[in-house]
Amino acid sequence: SQQGEEDPQALSIQEGENATMNCSYKTSINNLQWYRQNSGRGLVHLILIRSNEREKHSGRLRVTLDTSKKSSSLLITASRAADTASYFCATDAWAVGGGSEKLVFGKGTKLTVNP
Amino acid sequence: EPEVTQTPSHQVTQMGQEVILRCVPISNHLYFYWYRQILGQKVEFLVSFYNNEISEKSEIFDDQFSVERPDGSNFTLKIRSTKLEDSAMYFCASSERGDPAEQYFGPGTRLTVT
Repeated sequence: SQQGEEDPQALSIQEGENATMNCSYKTSINNLQWYRQNSGRGLVHLILIRSNEREKHSGRLRVTLDTSKKSSSLLITASRAADTASYFCATDAWAVGGGSEKLVFGKGTKLTVNP
Repeated sequence: EPEVTQTPSHQVTQMGQEVILRCVPISNHLYFYWYRQILGQKVEFLVSFYNNEISEKSEIFDDQFSVERPDGSNFTLKIRSTKLEDSAMYFCASSERGDPAEQYFGPGTRLTVT
């Protein structure tokens, strides 16, 4: 299985603190993506990191990728109450017939940021 | 900012009935996907669609499921005879490219089969 698996399963922090979530996967990937999901809502794309990249930033988000360890981390700096959500990593896999990718999601980390 | 839209937001149906879930992908995107999320579980891939045909389907996507792009804007998922275990949130996604495929998801349709 190529599933991403996040840890911790749940994380509770105070506003202003940094939140780090980790993701591990099992097989080679082309890209790894992070998504956010507010309770009962859709998935919001946060960031994509290619397999030949080691680090990527977007605003308060920092993603690292270590392909030798098959792991990635998502750091949210200076967290806000509005960051409360579940965060998922998703690894890609080329469709057998080519032409498009499917995403394989982990179980997610539930982040709670307390005001 | 362009976004993927889905209708309806919530569909309740009786077991054995057919349902059609509708999606309007982002207009310049060429790759389309359906995923589902059973309550409390992972998001699971169902099917990908490119160039008017299915690129890949998962083992969940059996003969009861079909997808269609009936016109230039809509992308539909049909479940021919719903079962209780089809109750889930169904997400449509689209991407501009195949690789890397930054997939943008719609808000989902919550399907409840009674």
